Formats: sequence, structure tokens, C-alpha cells
Amino acid sequence: GDSVTQMEGPVTLSEEAFLTINCTYTATGYPSLFWYVQYPGEGLQLLLKATKADDKGSNKGFEATYRKETTSFHLEKGSVQVSDSAVYFCALRYGGATNKLIFGTGTLLAVQP
Amino acid sequence: SAVISQKPSRDICQRGTSLTIQCQVDSQVTMMFWYRQQPGQSLTLIATANQGSEATYESGFVIDKFPISRPNLTFSTLTVSNMSPEDSSIYLCSADSSGSGEQFFGPGTRLTVL
Repeated sequence: GDSVTQMEGPVTLSEEAFLTINCTYTATGYPSLFWYVQYPGEGLQLLLKATKADDKGSNKGFEATYRKETTSFHLEKGSVQVSDSAVYFCALRYGGATNKLIFGTGTLLAVQP
Repeated sequence: SAVISQKPSRDICQRGTSLTIQCQVDSQVTMMFWYRQQPGQSLTLIATANQGSEATYESGFVIDKFPISRPNLTFSTLTVSNMSPEDSSIYLCSADSSGSGEQFFGPGTRLTVL
């Protein structure tokens, strides 16, 4: 069945470092892909999305490109801040009418000043 | 987009009791979803709640344990019945307001069962 695999955390970086969080997926058809972020003590927020191959989603300095050939949707940011410390979830949307999301296991990012 | 609120935000309950969690959306939405997030884990979909029809449950979740109501297009409830400590978790509701698969999440209800 469809699934999402994320790199395990925690990822610990110094402020202004470059961030990559890997995400690969297995799916039939052409799913939409999402990155959600969960700040400490809060619910999930949509960070960015891409709906078809080669689309690049971007928001708040974060980017991810939908790579069909490698079935990947890696999250990147050029210069992280302490305020980016959170758990990041990669997700895909099932095809068809169900609109269900399948989430990866989440990656905890800790940015140190 | 949609703004979603949940009540209660947290609760501590005794084994064997039930808790009903409310989810309110600030606009009409077709599909609402209930998830469970156990400590340090990812989100697991419990069920999809559509207005005017029975909820659709995922494998491993049953209506007797997690009854869901969806009386209108802006509101849903999830009841956790006959609770045990294994039910301690964060319960989140979400809504798909545009049909695009982009879901907006409530802040969650943190449940502790003693």
C-alpha cells in the first residue's frame, strides 16, 4: 500500500545551518505531497505542498520539490532559525475521493543558537 | 483555509469512563477527519466523518470504541469509550475545506487515562 518514509531524528543544527529532511514515498498513481509542521504544544500546520511532478512548494524559506523519478519530496531550508525547532511531517494524499492523508513518522528538528 | 477549534484541550480521565471531544470549524466543510497521535509517534487516522452518513473507520478502529457524530457541515464529535491507559494520546480533528486534500488541523485534545 501507499506509504511515506522520513529520515529519523532528531536533527540538531546550529542557527543559520542548511537543513535537509529526507522524505520518500510509495504510491500508486500520482499523489499530492505535503509537509506539515508541529511546533511544541500546538497542532499541525500545513507548511507547503506540491500536487504534480516537478512542482516546487515553498513557504517561510522552506522548499520541497516533487521528484517523481526518485519518489522523493525532501524538505530544505538554506538558513534555519531557532524558531524553526519543531516536528516536521511528510504526508501524501491518497488518490481518489477519500482525501485521506498518510503521514510519515515525523522528524524532530532542534536548532541551537 | 479553515480555522478549527477543539474542546477540551486536555483531560485526565479514569479507566472505564468515556470522553467526548468536540471539533468546530469556522466554515462549512465536506470532510472531517479524526486522528490519534500517541506520544512521540506520527498521526494515525481513526475515521473519516462525512455529514449525513456513517463515519468510515480505518483498520483497527471500531465504532463501538470510537463513536463519531457529524450533525452538520461545521461540527463533529469523537467519543473515546470505556477508556484504558492505552487510550492516552493526543486526538486531533482536521477538515478538508477545498476537496484538494489539503487538511487543516485543530490544536488537539491531550487525553490521559489513569
